[in-house]
Amino acid sequence: AQSVTQPDARVTVSEGASLQLRCKYSYSGTPYLFWYVQYPRQGLQLLLKYYSGDPVVQGVNGFEAEFSKSNSSFHLRKASVHWSDSAVYFCVLRYQGGSAKLIFGEGTKLTVSS
Amino acid sequence: ETAVFQTPNYHVTQVGNEVSFNCKQTLGHDTMYWYKQDSKKLLKIMFSYNNKQLIVNETVPRRFSPQSSDKAHLNLRIKSVEPEDSAVYLCASSSGLGGREQYFGPGTRLTVL
Repeated sequence: AQSVTQPDARVTVSEGASLQLRCKYSYSGTPYLFWYVQYPRQGLQLLLKYYSGDPVVQGVNGFEAEFSKSNSSFHLRKASVHWSDSAVYFCVLRYQGGSAKLIFGEGTKLTVSS
Repeated sequence: ETAVFQTPNYHVTQVGNEVSFNCKQTLGHDTMYWYKQDSKKLLKIMFSYNNKQLIVNETVPRRFSPQSSDKAHLNLRIKSVEPEDSAVYLCASSSGLGGREQYFGPGTRLTVL
């Protein structure tokens, strides 16, 4: 069955430090993958997306993610975090074709300490 | 810049009441969705609509019903709310059934007393 796992429910990093949020997926083909961010009391905003091609994709605000088919992973990275990056981050898998159903990970709550 | 609008932001009601939430998108998309986000932040799709036709109904309780007047609007009605309906309801839209990314509204937080 298709699924997305974010093994870290909570991550705390210091401002200016580097960040990696982990995501593992289960899907028989090559999926479409996304990272969304949800700030407190707000909806989800798209950070970046992977469809095909270059496994490293760039997103907004200095975020990037690397797709690995061999590891079934799509980890999110940022070189230097800011306090405003504190939010909940969701890794999301979309079926190719069909009803455009999205499968969400459980989310990782990021806290950036000053 | 918000392009998927939801009203109200918050709603508090009693068990058994009827509530209705509105969603409008200005992106020109023809597919819209409703998601439920529980207290643990878990998201699950409830409905999707393409060109005013229901495409997916993820076996939600019958008291929930989506209502669409045109492809830019998708409302959600709950006929008789239960305590377990307390959640954040998120509306989203995409371009066609093959549309890859979905764009979300800010959500409506429902509290059932």
